[in-house]
Amino acid sequence: AQKITQTQPGMFVQEKEAVTLDCTYDTSDQSYGLFWYKQPSSGEMIFLIYQGSYDEQNATEGRYSLNFQKARKSANLVISASQLGDSAMYFCAIPGGNTPLVFGKGTRLSVIA
Amino acid sequence: GAVVSQHPSRVICKSGTSVKIECRSLDFQATTMFWYRQFPKQSLMLMATSNEGSKATYEQGVEKDKFLINHASLTLSTLTVTSAHPEDSSFYICSASLGGSYNEQFFGPGTRLTVL
Repeated sequence: AQKITQTQPGMFVQEKEAVTLDCTYDTSDQSYGLFWYKQPSSGEMIFLIYQGSYDEQNATEGRYSLNFQKARKSANLVISASQLGDSAMYFCAIPGGNTPLVFGKGTRLSVIA
Repeated sequence: GAVVSQHPSRVICKSGTSVKIECRSLDFQATTMFWYRQFPKQSLMLMATSNEGSKATYEQGVEKDKFLINHASLTLSTLTVTSAHPEDSSFYICSASLGGSYNEQFFGPGTRLTVL
């Protein structure tokens, strides 16, 4: 079975600073992908970034980057130059066998002015 | 990116009534759509996989007779909560897959159901 672990229920970061949100995963698949989604208070799920298990370079999308360490089975999200609008829930997810996405419990990020 | 809509965004109903939620892929065809449920301050939990032209596949513990799913076309899937009860109050969110590797999904904006 696939499993995602996000150990930080909540995080605070000062505006303009960088923050790392942790994610570890467990899978028996040789090939897989990891996703990060942002969920603001409105509830919509916003896709942020994706990392394929065979991608040699860490994924980057604007201010988002993924610190992918395959041997440690971790895929931490790094948000640089935090903005007030980054305050939201963040979910790490992995395709899970016969289920399309398995989500972690999420991390609530609060950006402080 | 691909756009998925959901309707209604918010619904309040009386206990015992049925509620239908629509999920549409606006600019692409989706052979597979997914329905998730999210309770307050919790993660998303997959309820069922909706396949166009065939029966939905339900996750363990999800009552298929209570949560009716119909995927009548390549752009529309509906979730009907039958005989709703207060414990069914939740945030329901759908997603649609473009197919391809790693099951990339695009999410609708969600429907907040409150059963009185």
